[in-house]
Amino acid sequence: DSGVTQTPKHLITATGQRVTLRCSPRSGDLSVYWYQQSLDQGLQFLIQYYNGEERAKGNILERFSAQQFPDLHSELNLSSLELGDSALYFCASSQANSGNTIYFGEGSWLTVV
Amino acid sequence: DQQVKQNSPSLSVQEGRISILNCDYTNSMFDYFLWYKKYPAEGPTFLISISSIKDKNEDGRFTVFLNKSAKHLSLHIVPSQPGDSAVYFCAASARSDMRFGAGTRLTVKP
Repeated sequence: DSGVTQTPKHLITATGQRVTLRCSPRSGDLSVYWYQQSLDQGLQFLIQYYNGEERAKGNILERFSAQQFPDLHSELNLSSLELGDSALYFCASSQANSGNTIYFGEGSWLTVV
Repeated sequence: DQQVKQNSPSLSVQEGRISILNCDYTNSMFDYFLWYKKYPAEGPTFLISISSIKDKNEDGRFTVFLNKSAKHLSLHIVPSQPGDSAVYFCAASARSDMRFGAGTRLTVKP
């Protein structure tokens, strides 16, 4: 158990819909990262927040957005869903802004039908 | 962008032998490197890391080597055990950014 909690674990939704994935970081961690893993693909970095502020942006689509709240939990919002958005979405957290080990949650498996 | 590359999608070794997983990176700003291990349906778990000021870090059966001039790092597992069978991701970090390779699937045969 890494201490990073993600909900929901599994989600099935239709194309065109919108979903929100939630992440609670480890206690004391200020940074939250979101990654996407599609079938047989590596981990694609989406976005990072540190203490409520966006710090780095990767290959995140405009249809996707994220935020980190004052209690440090984070949400990833995926809208106008397409079949290709089906993937495992991981949240990770770390203590600091950079140069730290990050710890992953177990992921949220999204299936778009 | 493929700033971190793991060119071998899979590797198969015999139990007791050495497993060597390789990783190359392109961004010279990366200053912290990590290896993660992932079992199916689980999140990646941290294995070992190395700072750019070092060229070797060892933890039990796992050793990571860093060659900054070649922008290359490797993970050695010796001796390999069947329980080591998993997908291994290398990662590189610079400031706020951490990038992962595509992963190498290691199979250790009994």
